[in-house]
Amino acid sequence: EVQLVESGGGLAQPGRSLRLSCAASGFTFHDYAMHWVRQAPGQGLEWVSSISLKSGRFGYADSVKGRFIISRDNAKNSLYLQMNSLRPEDTAMYYCAKTYGGVIESDAFDIWGQGTMVTVSS
Amino acid sequence: SYVLTQPPSMSVAPGKTARITCGGNNIGSKIVHWYQQKPGQAPVLVISYNSDRPSGIPEGFSGSNSGNTATLTISRVEAGDEADYYCQVWDTSSDHWVFGGGTKLTVL
Repeated sequence: EVQLVESGGGLAQPGRSLRLSCAASGFTFHDYAMHWVRQAPGQGLEWVSSISLKSGRFGYADSVKGRFIISRDNAKNSLYLQMNSLRPEDTAMYYCAKTYGGVIESDAFDIWGQGTMVTVSS
Repeated sequence: SYVLTQPPSMSVAPGKTARITCGGNNIGSKIVHWYQQKPGQAPVLVISYNSDRPSGIPEGFSGSNSGNTATLTISRVEAGDEADYYCQVWDTSSDHWVFGGGTKLTVL
């Protein structure tokens, strides 16, 4: 079964850091680009970041650029999101998603994890 | 940055057809994907590449894209189709993924 399982969420104070992880199984992880998407409580979906299959290309939303870092370890079938300088507006459910292909653009997000909640508050 | 505009909500009677629109400047030149999200659940891809229906998605779901509007059509709506629906495109100008604001579909 194709599966994505996020972890690492929790409560963080403004200005602190968190590292999210996404464990992939059931597919050849290194053949696909991966993404992070977030959803603030009661709000819509917001793309956060993307990484190509060999980490050669990255993309970040303007709201997180310079603060968040996406990475992957193909040997461990894992995707990561290092979240620095956290702000209250980063409070959201964070989903990892697999794409149809190996590039970060154009292809649909065909598999999503169940998400991990991040709350930024003092 | 590129903006996708969806109606915040719409309602439809069971058995009828729901048409959810996604407006954007010359969106017909872009590839549009659609996602369904039920309360407390992760999004699910229901239409990819404007009109392709992934495996496991009911035949009643279809999509089109032309001019400044993309449309998700749900035929013979059932109670189980009640959900939020989001359109998505890749914006080549900004190299960003963009989601529409979402449409809450209520089945009467």
